Amino acid sequence: NVLLTQPHSVSESPGKTVIITCTRSGGSIGDSYVQWYQQRPGSVPTCLIYENDERFYGVPDRFSGSIDKSSNSASLTISGLKTEDEAAYFCLAYFKGRVFFGGGTHLTVL
Amino acid sequence: EVQLVESGGGLVKPGGSLRLSCRGTDFSLSPFTMNWVRQPPGKALEWISSVGPSVGSDSGEIFYGDSVRGRSSISRDDGDNSVHLVLNNVTAEDTGLYFCVRRGRVTYYFNLWGRGTLVTVSS
Repeated sequence: NVLLTQPHSVSESPGKTVIITCTRSGGSIGDSYVQWYQQRPGSVPTCLIYENDERFYGVPDRFSGSIDKSSNSASLTISGLKTEDEAAYFCLAYFKGRVFFGGGTHLTVL
Repeated sequence: EVQLVESGGGLVKPGGSLRLSCRGTDFSLSPFTMNWVRQPPGKALEWISSVGPSVGSDSGEIFYGDSVRGRSSISRDDGDNSVHLVLNNVTAEDTGLYFCVRRGRVTYYFNLWGRGTLVTVSS
């Protein structure tokens, strides 16, 4: 099985940059593409990043994704933080046909 | 409007069963792998199950998450443009908002989510 571990919460000020990590246990981070989803309070999740670093349609370039095989982790970087970025962020990976979500990271912008 | 609409949620007693349905509007579900994802209140997303498209190399392929394997069944009904999930022997841990989700055909991202149907397991 795959376990994707994310920090429970992060906080940063408007205009700054934040990095949210997603560390994979059970296989290599490179075994399958990583996706990232944003879920604002009271809303359904929306895709931000797919195939590790590809932005979904309409996602601003303030959002970027990457993987680091040395730490077996993926990262979501949000630059130029806005108050509207306050949300929960989930990483996702596939393994043998099944889907695994990270535990989610709540981003506070204050 | 292209959307997914879930139904079938409600109050279920522990040990009981539930049957959730998801209907697509203004598009056909048949070419897509369809998924169920749930979310307990205030908690993380959890993928439950998927069923492959009606045609293609992965036609009808079914997968289940560990937490529901052996007590759940996913199916699709192309005539009704719908997908269904049956979950048996429910416990309080099955409480949550259940989303029906469409997967992209090439890049595998989840590109369309329903609004969800709420399941509460309580005596």
